[in-house]
Amino acid sequence: QKEVEQNSGPLSVPEGAIASLNCTYSDRGSQSFFWYRQYSGKSPELIMFIYSNGDKEDGRFTAQLNKASQYVSLLIRDSQPSDSATYLCAPGGGGSYIPTFGRGTSLIVHP
Amino acid sequence: DAGVIQSPRHEVTEMGQEVTLRCKPISGHNSLFWYRQTMMRGLELLIYFNNNVPIDDSGMPEDRFSAKMPNASFSTLKIQPSEPRDSAVYFCASRQQGVNTEAFFGQGTRLTVV
Repeated sequence: QKEVEQNSGPLSVPEGAIASLNCTYSDRGSQSFFWYRQYSGKSPELIMFIYSNGDKEDGRFTAQLNKASQYVSLLIRDSQPSDSATYLCAPGGGGSYIPTFGRGTSLIVHP
Repeated sequence: DAGVIQSPRHEVTEMGQEVTLRCKPISGHNSLFWYRQTMMRGLELLIYFNNNVPIDDSGMPEDRFSAKMPNASFSTLKIQPSEPRDSAVYFCASRQQGVNTEAFFGQGTRLTVV
């Protein structure tokens, strides 16, 4: 299984700020990553997928992948209290890849 | 499709009792995963199936845990006998086998063993 590491947090940011969530990985062969969001008491849901080096933007969310340094990050601009959740990263892969998750980072956005 | 369906949503049982968790994957998905989530250990993969066949059960913590997938639309995770340390949220997820396909999660079963 491909392993990833995340700071469990909590990461606390004020409303309107940029939240930066990071994930490091050990398998240099990892080419793609998923970011899932999990609200308290709910199940994880996919919010972003990134395949290539560089940035991918979707609304207030930007995923960044740096293969040379083996990290992937998720930036949330103009953070809202509704963004408060745990964010999990997971490597993607070929046809038989196994979704394996980091422990997740808890984000708290306070008004 | 209604998504991945798990039952029950909550289960409270006494130590030593048998517990059976159920999962119905999304129709057409041929990979199914069982996870356990706790505060201490995060989201751990217990076992996964491809085309109803168990591929890797190395994450199953002990022989007390067993899982089956008798057909493409149903899977069970059984704990016998249950212990208080088994208390956790158990998730089932499914995906269509393929490059970078998304895994969809059920709502989870919150198990409390007293």
